[in-house]
Amino acid sequence: ETGVTQSPTHLIKTRGQQVTLRCSSQSGHNTVSWYQQALGQGPQFIFQYYREEENGRGNFPPRFSGLQFPNYSSELNVNALELDDSALYLCASSLPSGQETQYFGPGTRLLVL
Amino acid sequence: QKEVEQDPGPLSVPEGAIVSLNCTYSNSAFQYFMWYRQYSRKGPELLMYTYSSGNKEDGRFTAQVDKSSKYISLFIRDSQPSDSATYLCASKWGAQKLVFGQGTRLTINP
Repeated sequence: ETGVTQSPTHLIKTRGQQVTLRCSSQSGHNTVSWYQQALGQGPQFIFQYYREEENGRGNFPPRFSGLQFPNYSSELNVNALELDDSALYLCASSLPSGQETQYFGPGTRLLVL
Repeated sequence: QKEVEQDPGPLSVPEGAIVSLNCTYSNSAFQYFMWYRQYSRKGPELLMYTYSSGNKEDGRFTAQVDKSSKYISLFIRDSQPSDSATYLCASKWGAQKLVFGQGTRLTINP
């Protein structure tokens, strides 16, 4: 069984640029959630994708957008990067049942200068 | 008020001690409760997953949920230096998002 994988592991961007982060879900999992974790804080929910549709969104502006592909992999796109976007971005996969919990990937560490 | 509150610590204990980590939550709709362990610069790793009130034990780890007081606990027995990490409590209802506490940074001293 393959776990959740994310790429790249690290990324440095400058303010105003755009970034795309990628996630491959755990084998058999068709629901993907993205979280932002600032230093010293718990992860904050960005949005969730199920069957290639957004299925819930946290308190993040529209410049945070995503995609899910037929193979359940997913992308997180962030436009017009701001310094406060510097964080660890985590992808988690799960089955859609409410009883299922989420399994996290290793994260992508983004630094915005 | 945050939906899930957790003392960030740091917490430092000697090897072999019993560790108690706690969270409180405010949303009565939460049904599922989790503890994740996160090593430095890594993703969270699921440790314990419980539904509703009660206890769950897995090796040296015991999770407790008291829905009447909205209190979540994790106990670690015979703590080891390898248990040094940040511990995150999380809650959810249905298939909704996970809501995390701030995380408690734990150090086990040899």
